[in-house]
Amino acid sequence: GIQVEQSPPDLILQEGANSTLRCNFSDSVNNLQWFHQNPWGQLINLFYIPSGTKQNGRLSATTVATERYSLLYISSSQTTDSGVYFCAANTGGFKTIFGAGTRLFVKA
Amino acid sequence: GAVVSQHPSWVICKSGTSVKIECRSLDFQATTMFWYRQFPKQSLMLMATSNEGSKATYEQGVEKDKFLINHASLTLSTLTVTSAHPEDSSFYICSARPWDSTGNTIYFGEGSWLTVV
Repeated sequence: GIQVEQSPPDLILQEGANSTLRCNFSDSVNNLQWFHQNPWGQLINLFYIPSGTKQNGRLSATTVATERYSLLYISSSQTTDSGVYFCAANTGGFKTIFGAGTRLFVKA
Repeated sequence: GAVVSQHPSWVICKSGTSVKIECRSLDFQATTMFWYRQFPKQSLMLMATSNEGSKATYEQGVEKDKFLINHASLTLSTLTVTSAHPEDSSFYICSARPWDSTGNTIYFGEGSWLTVV
């Protein structure tokens, strides 16, 4: 099956810094999603982005489907951005396969 | 946007008992729902695909007699952890795809924390 790899696994930022999270996937996908999991476990969908670029406030994402990767940009990070960011690929049958996640901690 | 609700959010049960977790699509119908399990500090692992009106499809390594899935209607799927043991303690989360969706949008529930003591 499809493999989804994320990097870096852990990231510590000073508040106000920018960062880029990467997601590589091993096969063609129907869709690509980015999630933020908060400390209570709730998964918050950030982007559905099978290709192209989207922006939502301080967050933006770019997926280059032909090269099988996606990037999540966080600008002017805040302490509330802390948590785990997951990349997830939708494959045939609409199964969603998750990467291992990037654990982000933003220091005040 | 579409909402998927799970209940309960938190549950504590004794070893040997069974516990049921519900996953409901509140404003759409879903012929297919998915159940995931997440261990602490790990990613979400797909357990099974729940199909309305038919048997669930389990991923390799998931015990179907341990984790009973019933998708009795187009808005409800249930996961029952039978004869629970402490190692079943985990975070369980479901997702659902609208049956009439031509796209690939899938919505996730809030998750359910299970602790077996």
